[in-house]
Amino acid sequence: EAQVTQNPRYLITVTGKKLTVTCSQNMNHEYMSWYRQDPGLGLRQIYYSMNVEVTDKGDVPEGYKVSRKEKRNFPLILESPSPNQTSLYFCASSPTRAAMVTQYFGPGTRLLVL
Amino acid sequence: GQNIDQPTEMTATEGAIVQINCTYQTSGFNGLFWYQQHAGEAPTFLSYNVLDGLEEKGRFSSFLSRSKGYSYLLLKELQMKDSASYLCAVIGSGYSTLTFGKGTMLLVSP
Repeated sequence: EAQVTQNPRYLITVTGKKLTVTCSQNMNHEYMSWYRQDPGLGLRQIYYSMNVEVTDKGDVPEGYKVSRKEKRNFPLILESPSPNQTSLYFCASSPTRAAMVTQYFGPGTRLLVL
Repeated sequence: GQNIDQPTEMTATEGAIVQINCTYQTSGFNGLFWYQQHAGEAPTFLSYNVLDGLEEKGRFSSFLSRSKGYSYLLLKELQMKDSASYLCAVIGSGYSTLTFGKGTMLLVSP
């Protein structure tokens, strides 16, 4: 089954404790992206990757890192989480950057930073 | 920069028709999406418009006017399960990023 998976689905952590949210897709997609969603602000893009070893900043990259060492995985790293990073996070993938009409979203990761 | 506006909330009655508007001002344009999102779930794709005009898909239709920077999503024969947030999103130049509006929460009542 074609899918995007994220882990963990729910996470409660404390300020400053490094964490990684994993994202994996089984569709051999080139393009992957991370979004955060906050009430009243909508979905905002954090980082995206157009292929292995190619990543770029989205609209709200501060406080986040990403890596794309393999095509299927695109982890989101919070080196020193802060309460303002409490949010609902979505990973997404599409065959190429020009084929977002077939973008698949993961189920979401709800993060609470205390 | 990108600016996408849509109403925050709308209410409608089961069986009725509702139109959700979206206006955008973007640096470059390569298409506009509409997504549906139920609370706590991932967005699901509804429609994609890149040329002017109306695209119809069952109970849902989407319209685009590039010269006016305007789109709407039309939902017919509303059902209770259509209560959700509807997101307008634009692909800008370079196809690199997808910028979302803040979403319109639609409440369908009996």
